[in-house]
Amino acid sequence: GAVVSQHPSWVICKSGTSVKIECRSLDFQATTMFWYRQFPKQSLMLMATSNEGSKATYEQGVEKDKFLINHASLTLSTLTVTSAHPEDSSFYICSASRGGNSYNEQFFGPGTRLTVL
Amino acid sequence: EDKVVQSPLSLVVHEGDTVTLNCSYEVTNFRSLLWYKQEKKAPTFLFMLTSSGIEKKSGRLSSILDKKELFSILNITATQTGDSAVYLCAREGAQKLVFGQGTRLTINP
Repeated sequence: GAVVSQHPSWVICKSGTSVKIECRSLDFQATTMFWYRQFPKQSLMLMATSNEGSKATYEQGVEKDKFLINHASLTLSTLTVTSAHPEDSSFYICSASRGGNSYNEQFFGPGTRLTVL
Repeated sequence: EDKVVQSPLSLVVHEGDTVTLNCSYEVTNFRSLLWYKQEKKAPTFLFMLTSSGIEKKSGRLSSILDKKELFSILNITATQTGDSAVYLCAREGAQKLVFGQGTRLTINP
């Protein structure tokens, strides 16, 4: 149990276009989902936390108008990178939690590698 | 500031060696300390530590937490090439995980 999927697994796009990444919890209801970014040889940096049905909470330095997060259901969250530029190229990983006090019980998706040309 | 620092950043050893990876953290809103193994994709969970001095063990891997000195170690004995990965520790607190920069472990045959 506790499987999280991401789609697509990799994407290449032109500068200026928008890219949507989906994160799904396949066999449990995820009250809370997290979006991380990981640059090569660096650690996971939390971008935002989203709770189902409410606005995402963004970490300091993350532009909410550029990284649009929607968590419309208990099994799906989406991250849209708007007007992507080469510096947005990174590995984006989502995780899902049943919420409550179990923020340490995050189940990670396989990640999406974004390359912006 | 929430900070998790891992050392060493990179380690290369021979198969069969024992390695110790270190993780220190700042105490703000501490709830638990977690270790993950990351190969090519998403991190996979290894251990969660909440209490000082209690060793968690899984096969050749073990980990312990010292809440007084604010650090944790991850030990791997009799290393195998399949142990090659990036090992991440993360502090849980304030409803989120803060990750360290990771230790890249390479096991040579």
